[in-house]
Amino acid sequence: EEQLVESGGALVQPGGSLRLSCAVSGFPVTSKFMTWVRQAPGKGLEWVSVLYPGGAAYYADSVKDRFIISSDTSKNTIFFQMNSLRVEDTAVYYCATRVTQELGDGVRNIYMDVWGKGTTVTVSS
Amino acid sequence: QSVLTQPPSVSAAPGQKVSISCSGSSSNIGRNYVAWYQQLPGTAPKLLIYDNNKRPSGIPDRFSGSKSGTSATLGITGLQTGDEADYYCGTWDSSLTVVFGGGTKLTVL
Repeated sequence: EEQLVESGGALVQPGGSLRLSCAVSGFPVTSKFMTWVRQAPGKGLEWVSVLYPGGAAYYADSVKDRFIISSDTSKNTIFFQMNSLRVEDTAVYYCATRVTQELGDGVRNIYMDVWGKGTTVTVSS
Repeated sequence: QSVLTQPPSVSAAPGQKVSISCSGSSSNIGRNYVAWYQQLPGTAPKLLIYDNNKRPSGIPDRFSGSKSGTSATLGITGLQTGDEADYYCGTWDSSLTVVFGGGTKLTVL
């Protein structure tokens, strides 16, 4: 069974750093697109970052140049290094696998099929 | 402000049917496939519909999805109190990001 377990969420001051982990079981972490989606308190879902099986990484504009997604194959784990944290980064962060199908002519079928339970990041002074 | 537009809330009685709309544009829903996610209170989102209208294993056929032009619709029949949740649509956008709707809270009266 494919399973994702996030950890590392905490209370941190603005400007601080935090590293989230997503422990993967049931498949090799580098075999799938791995993504982070966050949800601010009382708000909707926001895509944050994706790590491609080949190693390429992409970020939402809101976190670009501050957050870094990476993987450790020996631990079969995804990491999310969050730097220069802001109050608006406060959210539950979910790790999820992303199905990505490119169907030609720019048409894509992309969705998140397996989700972790999430870890809470609070940025406050 | 979400890229995809959903009604903030819908409600219906047990046993009834409800539809939740998701409106986008030619840069997202108009050319890509749509997924729907269910988030029960206090839990993580769960994939409910993918490929516009397919259900993952274990999702009852009371849930259905459709897409027409730049809009998508989630349908739920035979409403149960256990269906009370937030529902989100999501798709790919030409801005090279996954985008979601703002979510719709379903209340089963």
